[in-house]
Amino acid sequence: DAGVIQSPRHEVTEMGQEVTLRCKPISGHDYLFWYRQTMMRGLELLIYFNNNVPIDDSGMPEDRFSAKMPNASFSTLKIQPSEPRDSAVYFCASSLAGRERSGYTFGSGTRLTVV
Amino acid sequence: AQSVTQLDSHVSVSEGTPVLLRCNYSSSYSPSLFWYVQHPNKGLQLLLKYTSAATLVKGINGFEAEFKKSETSFHLTKPSAHMSDAAEYFCVVSDSLSARQLTFGSGTQLTVLP
Repeated sequence: DAGVIQSPRHEVTEMGQEVTLRCKPISGHDYLFWYRQTMMRGLELLIYFNNNVPIDDSGMPEDRFSAKMPNASFSTLKIQPSEPRDSAVYFCASSLAGRERSGYTFGSGTRLTVV
Repeated sequence: AQSVTQLDSHVSVSEGTPVLLRCNYSSSYSPSLFWYVQHPNKGLQLLLKYTSAATLVKGINGFEAEFKKSETSFHLTKPSAHMSDAAEYFCVVSDSLSARQLTFGSGTQLTVLP
């Protein structure tokens, strides 16, 4: 298995532009999570899905952030419009129901820089 | 509610000496506990996990952790540090009512001196 795949690895964009981050979970995993990591706030859960349905999006900072999971093998996190304070590393993770105690598998992350 | 406290933000050891990274947790229910490692510019990798089986858990790269319920601790140890162990380590808790959400500690940066 290739693990959780995120793209792009790095993204540099100008303030005001739309940014889309992509994630492919491990095949068969039915939970998908989006996290954000910054020096100031550490790791924060933004949103998670179960069977493609958003369960808890209380961590999404603002309406500028949106996430979708159109099918079991793909999810996107979109920021529109982007702002410099959105600069962070965004991680996607997936897990399998009943196997939560086995831990989550994280992707390598997308490092976003908004200038 | 669950929470986790990593008692040291930075730990520095010499190569070949023991490593101790401290973690205390709070959970209303039977918790699962994890240690993740993050090398510079990399993602998070699972080191080991406790899931109500043996209290002494062995992980990858020679690390182990002991679950002590009476002390609400889950400290990470390694007998002999290697240069490649230099990274940031996160203690993580998940309980049965967290709907599969993980709560991360603030991280401990481990430096290994030659």
